[in-house]
Amino acid sequence: DQQVKQNSPSLSVQEGRISILNCDYTNSMFDYFLWYKKYPAEGPTFLISISSIKDKNEDGRFTVFLNKSAKHLSLHIVPSQPGDSAVYFCAARNSGAGSYQLTFGKGTKLSVIP
Amino acid sequence: DTGVSQDPRHKITKRGQNVTFRCDPISEHNRLYWYRQTLGQGPEFLTYFQNEAQLEKSRLLSDRFSAERPKGSFSTLEIQRTEQGDSAMYLCASSPIDRGHEKLFFGSGTQLSVL
Repeated sequence: DQQVKQNSPSLSVQEGRISILNCDYTNSMFDYFLWYKKYPAEGPTFLISISSIKDKNEDGRFTVFLNKSAKHLSLHIVPSQPGDSAVYFCAARNSGAGSYQLTFGKGTKLSVIP
Repeated sequence: DTGVSQDPRHKITKRGQNVTFRCDPISEHNRLYWYRQTLGQGPEFLTYFQNEAQLEKSRLLSDRFSAERPKGSFSTLEIQRTEQGDSAMYLCASSPIDRGHEKLFFGSGTQLSVL
């Protein structure tokens, strides 16, 4: 039972355009959401996060939007750069028991074409 | 900040052998986590240490798996009697005590191949 779903395994975007990566979740107990970026042969690195009490968080070119009623979040990258090409993982924290663990989606591979 | 260090980077072993991985977290981080990532999947939680105490283990962590963090610094993850299904990337992460459990700093992982 996948509690965090990233339904697009891959996404290609032209350099300079907007990249939109989507994530859906099923567990209503999730209260904190994060995006991690992973380059080949490296571990995931934290990118941006959002608390469930907010609907938007922005950090430079990266913005995360949260729609709690739809249990959906998205990561917007504007403008996209070739260096953004990586696998992006959506992750969530459970506010209840076991809040020390994150639940990850399967990832979306973003390719930014120069 | 030297980052989270994992050793070895790659391990090839035969089915039935035991393997041990090491993780050195960022020095001031009290919290240490092990995750496992298989091909096409996201990282899955295995276990969590706060200092030397192992506070939680996932049901993914069968009896063949054991993790330690004897002095609250580095950690080891041992897999006994390896099976082909154990082939995966084993990721270690750490975080400071004054932050939530969300922003983890991951190492580059140990890629295990069981033949």
